Amino acid sequence: EPEVTQTPSHQVTQMGQEVILRCVPISNHLYFYWYRQILGQKVEFLVSFYNNEISEKSEIFDDRFSVERPDGSNFTLKIRSTKLEDSAMYFCASSEDRPHYEQYFGPGTRLTVT
Amino acid sequence: AQRVTQPEKLLSVFKGAPVELKCNYSYSGSPELFWYVQYSRQRLQLLLRHISRESIKGFTADLNKGETSFHLKKPFAQEEDSAMYYCALRNYGQNFVFGPGTRLSVLP
Repeated sequence: EPEVTQTPSHQVTQMGQEVILRCVPISNHLYFYWYRQILGQKVEFLVSFYNNEISEKSEIFDDRFSVERPDGSNFTLKIRSTKLEDSAMYFCASSEDRPHYEQYFGPGTRLTVT
Repeated sequence: AQRVTQPEKLLSVFKGAPVELKCNYSYSGSPELFWYVQYSRQRLQLLLRHISRESIKGFTADLNKGETSFHLKKPFAQEEDSAMYYCALRNYGQNFVFGPGTRLSVLP
């Protein structure tokens, strides 16, 4: 069964540095998403992406954040000038089409900003 | 504003006992409600959605619009049901709003 994959599983970076989190969505999926989960807190929506553009973003997704689909398979989340409060688990998800509802989640990347 | 609440952070039951994980929501419009489960060291996965009205792994959930609830129930809990359970609401923009989650612990 196809799965969403994410790399790396754990990323440690220093405050102020840039990080890129990578995701490979399921191949025939058209909608892509990033969520984050700060330790002990709920899963929060960051951004959705369709047809090579952002379709929706939350207030968490400030101008330090960006997403890209650089090729036909990868979907990346870039965070510039990282802050301590960016430390969280970041989940990528994809869905086939809007009417299908179900979003398939990746295993997550744990980002630690020191 | 859309909001999902799950009042219990932790719920412990004995094997074979009934279990009910509570979920309440606030949403202006017709909501789509889901339950996601995350087993230890595994990814979030869809457990069930209200529109399909199906039972997965013995779990059921009924959408009660009057009480704005979508409680998850299982008549006889199993040890393998121990996991984090997230209630989620899908809003008009098609992204999910998650509740804070309830950790279910099924004791032998």
